[in-house]
Amino acid sequence: GQNIDQPTEMTATEGAIVQINCTYQTSGFNGLFWYQQHAGEAPTFLSYNVLDGLEEKGRFSSFLSRSKGYSYLLLKELQMKDSASYLCAVREDDKIIFGKGTRLHILP
Amino acid sequence: EAQVTQNPRYLITVTGKKLTVTCSQNMNHEYMSWYRQDPGLGLRQIYYSMNVEVTDKGDVPEGYKVSRKEKRNFPLILESPSPNQTSLYFCASSLAWSSTEAFFGQGTRLTVV
Repeated sequence: GQNIDQPTEMTATEGAIVQINCTYQTSGFNGLFWYQQHAGEAPTFLSYNVLDGLEEKGRFSSFLSRSKGYSYLLLKELQMKDSASYLCAVREDDKIIFGKGTRLHILP
Repeated sequence: EAQVTQNPRYLITVTGKKLTVTCSQNMNHEYMSWYRQDPGLGLRQIYYSMNVEVTDKGDVPEGYKVSRKEKRNFPLILESPSPNQTSLYFCASSLAWSSTEAFFGQGTRLTVV
C-alpha cells in the first residue's frame, strides 16, 4: 500500500531554519515533490527529487534518500510569508500521492 | 499568461443535481488530473489523464466521471452529487506524466446540501 507521513504542524521563528520531514512507503517510486500552499490558495511547486541527494533552490532545499524512504524540506532565513502548509507528494508509477501536509507557523 | 482555469470557483448545489466543473489549460500539457482536498485528509487524486482520450482512476474515483476529448480541457462530472462530495477541488496539469512540476488551478469550493 501507499503511505506518506509528515508532521501535522510545526512552529519556527522568523530568521531561523526549519526542516520538515516526510517518510513514504510506496511501490513504483518515480520521484518526490514538495509544494507550498497558502490558506485558501492553490499549491505551488517548490522542488522535485528523483535521485538521492540534496537539491538547493535559494532559501529552500530538498533532500531524498530512496533507500530510507525519506525526504526533508529545509527552509532557511524564514520569513513571515513562509507561513503556509507544505505538501510532500510521491509519484507512484503515473499517479501522484500527497501526504496530508505540514502547517508551518512563523513567529516574529 | 500560462494558466490552469477552473470554473466555477464556488458552487452550492443540491443532492442529486448533476454538475460539471470545467478545467482548461493553455500550456499544451499532456497530463491533467483532478484532486479533492479535505481537512485532515490532504489532497487526494480523483482521476488523471495522460493524454487525449486516455483517463485513469486515482485514489478516490467513486461518484465522479471525467472526459478528455481535447488536450486543453478536462471536465469533472458529478452525475448525482452527495453531501460527502462537499470539498475543495483542484485541477492540475503538467507537460507530461513524468514532468517535475504541476500547475494547479485556483480551486473550486463545492457544497452539496
